[in-house]
Parts: sequence; C-alpha cells; structure tokens
Amino acid sequence: GESVGLHLPTLSVQEGDNSIINCAYSNSASDYFIWYKQESGKGPQFIIDIRSNMDKRQGQRVTVLLNKTVKHLSLQIAATQPGDSAVYFCAENRVTGGGNKLTFGTGTQLKVEL
Amino acid sequence: NAGVTQTPKFQVLKTGQSMTLQCAQDMNHNSMYWYRQDPGMGLRLIYYSASEGTTDKGEVPNGYNVSRLNKREFSLRLESAAPSQTSVYFCASRQLSTEAFFGQGTRLTVV
Repeated sequence: GESVGLHLPTLSVQEGDNSIINCAYSNSASDYFIWYKQESGKGPQFIIDIRSNMDKRQGQRVTVLLNKTVKHLSLQIAATQPGDSAVYFCAENRVTGGGNKLTFGTGTQLKVEL
Repeated sequence: NAGVTQTPKFQVLKTGQSMTLQCAQDMNHNSMYWYRQDPGMGLRLIYYSASEGTTDKGEVPNGYNVSRLNKREFSLRLESAAPSQTSVYFCASRQLSTEAFFGQGTRLTVV
C-alpha cells in the first residue's frame, strides 16, 4: 500500500486467509531488507530479512519476496491468525560513509477478522 | 540480558526545556540508532552511529544532538524542546548489516 497523509494503509483479512503486505523501497543501492511487526505500545519486532542477492526467503508462515527491478518488497503471511494483527514495516539498509543506515517505510496496518 | 534499554519511558516537557533521552544496549553491537514515530506514521531516522565516537545524520536531525558515549550508550538530546518534537522515540542497535533490536520507546510530550 501507499502512504496517504497521516493514515496508515489498512489491510483487512479473514482469519485463515493468506495476507500480502507490500512495500516500495527508495534506494537501488540498498543491500539488505527487513520486515518488522509492531504491536500497539511496543517497539518493532523482527519477522524476517532478505539480502539483495536473493529474491525469496521463507520462514515459519512468512515469505519475503524481493523485486529489485521495481524496488519492491512483499511479505506474505500464510493462514493469518488474530495474533498477526499489528502494523508491519519494511526497512532498507544502505552502507554509507557513516555506517549502515537503516530507514523504514510508512507501514501497513493488518487487521484480522474472525 | 536486557537487550536495548531506554530511559525514561515517559516525559512531559515545557516548550524551551532541554532533556536527554538515554539508551543502552548489552549485546556488544557496533551500530546504534535513534528514531521518532509520530501517531499513525512510520519510524523516521534521526541520527545513527556506526561505532563509539562516530555519528551521522538521518532523515530528520534538526533540533536534536546525539552522543555515542561508549559502545553501550547512545544518547539523544533536545536542547530546546518544541511541540513538534512530541513523539515516541525509539533506540535500536545492531551488528553491522543484520536485524536491529529495539527498545520499548520513550513517549515525549512537549506542551
């Protein structure tokens, strides 16, 4: 989804369905990407990562796809559960003169309906 | 093993006051970061540090200063707080190009 003003884009899915959350990243020199989950009132938690020399990586119930041609990441969550309800952020890493710079996308709110 | 610890958890400041947000990590990480998160928004990078004694500006550095006191600690200072700096501040640490670990955040309100 794309960011619109101050409102996070929202994805609503039924429990048990698969979820796909999308992210466009900004810099073609970014070499490493991370998906984070953030629950209300908490700090972001790591879900899965992928390096730029890969196009797919799978974890437990989650898969990340990377398309460098169009600078696009997606997070797929299989069999979505109520506990998956949260805000999801992608982050991109780029090596700069100052070190490893990690910047975040605007986020997507995932709501799981029973 | 506490991970990333931020203090304080909550703070209310008057416009023009100064304060320092503290962050410490016990994972022996080289890199540390400060972000701010406004309601309904993503995390925006304020400053980052690749190692002790080095810091670099992020996306929104204006109005902030940082200090990497040693490998464990990375502090964020607001010299003259403004209402626009009302936000939740997150500190993170990582080892080179790997996942970043986050603190629980500091909720700052400037009135």
